Amino acid sequence: DGGITQSPKYLFRKEGQNVTLSCEQNLNHDAMYWYRQDPGQGLRLIYYSQIVNDFQKGDIAEGYSVSREKKESFPLTVTSAQKNPTAFYLCASSPSNEKLFFGSGTQLSVL
Amino acid sequence: DQQVKQNSPSLSVQEGRISILNCDYTNSMFDYFLWYKKYPAEGPTFLISISSIKDKNEDGRFTVFLNKSAKHLSLHIVPSQPGDSAVYFCAAGTGANNLFFGTGTRLTVIP
Repeated sequence: DGGITQSPKYLFRKEGQNVTLSCEQNLNHDAMYWYRQDPGQGLRLIYYSQIVNDFQKGDIAEGYSVSREKKESFPLTVTSAQKNPTAFYLCASSPSNEKLFFGSGTQLSVL
Repeated sequence: DQQVKQNSPSLSVQEGRISILNCDYTNSMFDYFLWYKKYPAEGPTFLISISSIKDKNEDGRFTVFLNKSAKHLSLHIVPSQPGDSAVYFCAAGTGANNLFFGTGTRLTVIP
């Protein structure tokens, strides 16, 4: 089935630890995105990538890093510099500069 | 500052009646508007979109209305069904790379 796969569904981070959230798509979409959702808030853009080996910061990129070595994959690393990492993280892709297709999300919590 | 606002955090509607979800935006440069539906612990699913050259777009039971002068859009669901119970997000922007999301409205359709 075509779609966007995020893993793991739940992730726990210890203080000072970096963690990486996986996002894979088989929709052949050029653009991929990472959003963060906090309770009672809208989605906020962390990073996006329009083509392989290129990515741009979104509104809240501090404390996060990404890579785009393959068209299908756009992993997000939450670094120890991100002081408030507990949130629901959503990966999305887009075939053009229009609607986004979302994965099922990863809930990150701090131990 | 929130560029897209959904002022009603929740809405309850009887099955078979009309559900009207509202969304306001502040940036007159926005020309692309979308509605997404989200179930708990899942990613948002695209519902319907509209561009600024139109004032109405229909897809089955879902209709989106755009009032550019008031910077307001609304989603009408007729007739409402229990399976429509979810959180609905509106999004506005100039394209997939520049989308701003509202905080969501939780719709409950009562059987």
